[in-house]
Amino acid sequence: EPEVTQTPSHQVTQMGQEVILRCVPISNHLYFYWYRQILGQKVEFLVSFYNNEISEKSEIFDDQFSVERPDGSNFTLKIRSTKLEDSAMYFCASSPDRGTDTQYFGPGTRLTVL
Amino acid sequence: AQSVTQPDIHITVSEGASLELRCNYSYGATPYLFWYVQSPGQGLQLLLKYFSGDTLVQGIKGFEAEFKRSQSSFNLRKPSVHWSDAAEYFCAVGLNTGTASKLTFGTGTRLQVTL
Repeated sequence: EPEVTQTPSHQVTQMGQEVILRCVPISNHLYFYWYRQILGQKVEFLVSFYNNEISEKSEIFDDQFSVERPDGSNFTLKIRSTKLEDSAMYFCASSPDRGTDTQYFGPGTRLTVL
Repeated sequence: AQSVTQPDIHITVSEGASLELRCNYSYGATPYLFWYVQSPGQGLQLLLKYFSGDTLVQGIKGFEAEFKRSQSSFNLRKPSVHWSDAAEYFCAVGLNTGTASKLTFGTGTRLQVTL
């Protein structure tokens, strides 16, 4: 069964450094998402992406964040200058269509900012 | 704005006992509702979903959920819990926004199963 994959599984970085989290969505899906989960808190929506542009972003998704689909398979989340409060589990998700279709989640990347 | 409430932070049940996890939502229109499960160190796995039609939906691993519009609820049930069901369970509501949708999650219920 096709899966969403994410790399790396764990990323440790110094405050102020740039990080790129990578995701490979399910191949025939058209909609892509990033969510994050700070330890002990609920999963929060960051951004949705369709047709090579952002569809919606949350208040969390400020200018330090960007997303890109650099080729036909990868979907990346970049944090330009990490802060301590960016430490969280970041989940990528994809769906074949919007609305009623299910979002399939990857295993997540745990980001630790020191 | 839509919201999801899971009133129980932590629930402990004995293996073989029945289970009900509560979920209440706030949303102006007919919601798309989901239950996801997260095992320790793992991602989110979809258990079941409700879009329309029959209000009792069946999912994987023997789980079911019932949509009750009058109570704005979508409670998850399982008649007999197995030790492997110990995990965190998240209820979510889907919202179509423009060209995509997004999920709003509840705070989760951690299920502990005693042998």
